[in-house]
Amino acid sequence: DGGITQSPKYLFRKEGQNVTLSCEQNLNHDAMYWYRQDPGQGLRLIYYSQIVNDFQKGDIAEGYSVSREKKESFPLTVTSAQKNPTAFYLCASSYRNEQFFGPGTRLTVL
Amino acid sequence: QKEVEQNSGPLSVPEGAIASLNCTYSDRGSQSFFWYRQYSGKSPELIMSIYSNGDKEDGRFTAQLNKASQYVSLLIRDSQPSDSATYLCAVSFVGFQKLVFGTGTRLLVSP
Repeated sequence: DGGITQSPKYLFRKEGQNVTLSCEQNLNHDAMYWYRQDPGQGLRLIYYSQIVNDFQKGDIAEGYSVSREKKESFPLTVTSAQKNPTAFYLCASSYRNEQFFGPGTRLTVL
Repeated sequence: QKEVEQNSGPLSVPEGAIASLNCTYSDRGSQSFFWYRQYSGKSPELIMSIYSNGDKEDGRFTAQLNKASQYVSLLIRDSQPSDSATYLCAVSFVGFQKLVFGTGTRLLVSP
């Protein structure tokens, strides 16, 4: 089955902890993206990568970091510098501008 | 600032009616336009893409694009309760490899 997987589905973080969200795709897409969605709001772009070993900041990159060592993988680290990390995190990959989303990770700060 | 605007709704329609969802965008250079459906608690699902002026039909869905007026719409014919969801409009601007999303319109289809 081709698709995008994200893990874990739910994640709980204590104050001051860094956590890493996993995103894997087997669609052979070059570009991958991370978004954040808050209740009642649209998707906001955190980071994106168009090719392996290269990535760019999106609109709200502060407090987040990413890596793109493999075409299939684009993990997102939410650092302790992110002051309000509770949100629904969505990973996407794209082919010819059409973006397809994974199932998401819901992060809650305790 | 490139913007995509949608009425947040909710838009309420009876089962079997046509639901009309609208979206406006700020940049005349926009090239690609997308509609996503998002059920509560789930991730967005791409349902329509449109690239040129006019209508594009896919089953019960029709996307309409008018670049001169800078709006794109989604019509859902024979609406079903299962169509109840939030519909996100997304626009790709010239020179960018990323999408800008509207905040979505919540659609409620009553039996």
